[in-house]
Amino acid sequence: ETGVTQTPRHLVMGMTNKKSLKCEQHLGHNAMYWYKQSAKKPLELMFVYSLEERVENNSVPSRFSPECPNSSHLFLHLHTLQPEDSALYLCASSQDRDRGRSYTFGSGTRLTVV
Amino acid sequence: AQSVTQLDSQVPVFEEAPVELRCNYSSSVSVYLFWYVQYPNQGLQLLLKYLSGSTLVESINGFEAEFNKSQTSFHLRKPSVHISDTAEYFCAVSDPMDTGRRALTFGSGTRLQVQP
Repeated sequence: ETGVTQTPRHLVMGMTNKKSLKCEQHLGHNAMYWYKQSAKKPLELMFVYSLEERVENNSVPSRFSPECPNSSHLFLHLHTLQPEDSALYLCASSQDRDRGRSYTFGSGTRLTVV
Repeated sequence: AQSVTQLDSQVPVFEEAPVELRCNYSSSVSVYLFWYVQYPNQGLQLLLKYLSGSTLVESINGFEAEFNKSQTSFHLRKPSVHISDTAEYFCAVSDPMDTGRRALTFGSGTRLQVQP
């Protein structure tokens, strides 16, 4: 148990579907992140929420829409995705006051867009 | 913007042999440095980190990394690897003075393949 839980673990969706990824942490952290992990590429930061407020968007296409209703939950809403969006989506959390900003990661959602 | 370079995408090594995974970063200002490990079908886990003080940091499972400011490097080493060390290893950096970007910048990863 890593402390950060992501659901579902696997998701296959068509390009016209709408789905959501969920992330939950009970570590008392106040910052949460979405990263995209594609093969042979660095992890790409997508969104950062600190104290439930989005502080960085990082130029992510609008077909990805984050939501952070409270400090323990983070969602990534997906619609009209493209095949190149297939990847492992990782959620992480940290304590924003943590000088070392160590992250706790979830196990990820493996997304396949068909 | 900061960047992290992990020159080796794959490192094959025999069990009980030493290994070094290389990491270089672009920033010339003070930085925090991290190594994360990702086992198959899992998320990333913190292996070790450098914040300040001694330039040599160690993990509980025998890995160590040395911060070299002049060479802007933070290479990861282990004197004797085990089969169970097979995983993907990610180097990451953050700028302690950059309160705006509160996120880590990761390298592309190095896959360590330990062979019997």
